[in-house]
Amino acid sequence: QSALTQPASVSGSPGQSITISCTGTSSDVGGYNYVSWYQQHPGKAPKLMIYDVSNRPSGVSIRFSGSKSGNTASLTISGLQAEDEADYYCTSYTSSSTWVFGGGTKLTVL
Amino acid sequence: EVQLVESGGGLVQPGGSLRLSCAASGFTFSTYDMHWVRQATGKGLEWVSTIGTAGDTYYPGSVKGRFTISRENAKNSLYLQMNSLRAGDTAVYYCARGGYDFDFWGQGTLVTVSS
Repeated sequence: QSALTQPASVSGSPGQSITISCTGTSSDVGGYNYVSWYQQHPGKAPKLMIYDVSNRPSGVSIRFSGSKSGNTASLTISGLQAEDEADYYCTSYTSSSTWVFGGGTKLTVL
Repeated sequence: EVQLVESGGGLVQPGGSLRLSCAASGFTFSTYDMHWVRQATGKGLEWVSTIGTAGDTYYPGSVKGRFTISRENAKNSLYLQMNSLRAGDTAVYYCARGGYDFDFWGQGTLVTVSS
């Protein structure tokens, strides 16, 4: 199972919106609504930000939203804040009853 | 409060074995699927294994036949038995709770495979 494809880096200024894409295949992202997104600050454990494509866990800011079209899922962060600077990973359940992660995207808040 | 605390990491020689543990608290452990995910230094996340509530297990090809995930519900504990370890298995190993996602994570335990 190949890793999902994410951009290596994205950047934006405070207050702006950014979108991180996550591209897979019909055997993972396109085939299931089990895409989730994680935020990871340096030296810390990952934190769930979005599950089942577009659902936010309790306590996660409404500035974070998720969507999917075909084999590509997206994470959008609106109203960028300095604290959003982190690595972001997507993952999807697959037709082989396994999970696959994206390579990760480093978000820089300018 | 949900807590997951990993232990058992350390330095092991290539070809050696190690058993990781994850102590869970703050939720009904027996009703959740559990996962192991690893991260090599400076690299991305890699799914390692999953065990369902019924004891069904799942692995990627990279560890299948070498790693064994298990759980002991009476002790609220998750385990990962790692055999035939390779340098490429060097990483921080996280346990995580969840079904199709990973909704809570421990802080991880470092496994270093080196001679």
